[in-house]
Amino acid sequence: GQNIDQPTEMTATEGAIVQINCTYQTSGFNGLFWYQQHAGEAPTFLSYNVLDGLEEKGRFSSFLSRSKGYSYLLLKELQMKDSASYLCAVRDSNYQLIWGAGTKLIIKP
Amino acid sequence: ETGVTQTPRHLVMGMTNKKSLKCEQHLGHNAMYWYKQSAKKPLELMFVYSLEERVENNSVPSRFSPECPNSSHLFLHLHTLQPEDSALYLCASSQDSEGQGNEQFFGPGTRLTVL
Repeated sequence: GQNIDQPTEMTATEGAIVQINCTYQTSGFNGLFWYQQHAGEAPTFLSYNVLDGLEEKGRFSSFLSRSKGYSYLLLKELQMKDSASYLCAVRDSNYQLIWGAGTKLIIKP
Repeated sequence: ETGVTQTPRHLVMGMTNKKSLKCEQHLGHNAMYWYKQSAKKPLELMFVYSLEERVENNSVPSRFSPECPNSSHLFLHLHTLQPEDSALYLCASSQDSEGQGNEQFFGPGTRLTVL
């Protein structure tokens, strides 16, 4: 079967750095997405990786290793507004998105 | 209006009711999606439409019936639902259903409660 694993919950301190990991087993691979979802709101797109390596976008970076079936989202200079759930999703060989259950990130002052 | 809109935002219905959820996208996209989001579970893809044709139906019970009259509008018709169908129903759109990139843009969702 197809599976996406990510931690259920993480806690970090304002101003610090946090890394949210995602591992996947899917039938084929056509890209990996990270989304942010604040409580009661719609998921919003953060990043897309299809080749190995690091993609940087301001305070957020996403890394992919296809051989290891592994990605991480790195958040720097954490702000209170970064408290949200972070969803990892992989597009399989049928271009269908397989979603993880999300990681709830709690930022403390 | 911009982006993806959904109505109603909240819906409470009995098991014998019939109701419809509406989604509209103002992005000129060709693909639209219905997802179910339950607490602490992954997003469940229900239906995919590409250019108004249904391309995916992930074994969804027949009490959920989608309709896509044009590329900007998507409906989810509900009838004789069960309490376990209570969830957040999200609509999304993307430029196409296949191809590289093609991030999905989500609406705010309809919070459905079935009594």
